[in-house]
Amino acid sequence: AQSVAQPEDQVNVAEGNPLTVKCTYSVSGNPYLFWYVQYPNRGLQFLLKYITGDNLVKGSYGFEAEFNKSQTSFHLKKPSALVSDSALYFCAVRDRRSGGSYIPTFGRGTSLIVHP
Amino acid sequence: DGGITQSPKYLFRKEGQNVTLSCEQNLNHDAMYWYRQDPGQGLRLIYYSQIVNDFQKGDIAEGYSVSREKKESFPLTVTSAQKNPTAFYLCASAPQSSYNEQFFGPGTRLTVL
Repeated sequence: AQSVAQPEDQVNVAEGNPLTVKCTYSVSGNPYLFWYVQYPNRGLQFLLKYITGDNLVKGSYGFEAEFNKSQTSFHLKKPSALVSDSALYFCAVRDRRSGGSYIPTFGRGTSLIVHP
Repeated sequence: DGGITQSPKYLFRKEGQNVTLSCEQNLNHDAMYWYRQDPGQGLRLIYYSQIVNDFQKGDIAEGYSVSREKKESFPLTVTSAQKNPTAFYLCASAPQSSYNEQFFGPGTRLTVL
């Protein structure tokens, strides 16, 4: 089965500083990777995805992610953090289930806290 | 206004009672999903459906049941057999292609008293 790992439960960063939220993956074959954000007591919102092509993927709200095949990583980045970026971030990978369906498998999530 | 809705937002249940969570989408998506979210555990897949009148168990299906009689609706029933049902439940939908991202509803917080 495909999987992703988010090694940090929490990331703290000062407003205006660059932020990185880490994700590593374990897949057989080509990985299809996603990032989502969740604000308190809300559903998840899609940020960006990597299917193929350019290793730097740009997404919503100024976020981007860098796909690194040699390091099996897909870290989420933003050049300048905002207090409003404080939320829970999930990395996900497309996983093939028995029966042939492709379903995302999610990481445990990383809480990003941006301090004023 | 297209989207995916869940109701109710908060739900309280006594032990031993079944309860049904609603999920409706008007995005014309073929696939729908139910996840359970607990602190520190991420999202765990309960059931999913790729087409009307068909659904499959996810990773934690025990104590839950679903139906998919209409394309736009995918209700989840939490039965009394679910030993620890207090959690945040999220419904999602997606176009059939496996490359597409999911669209999530706002969630239902279920508390068993």
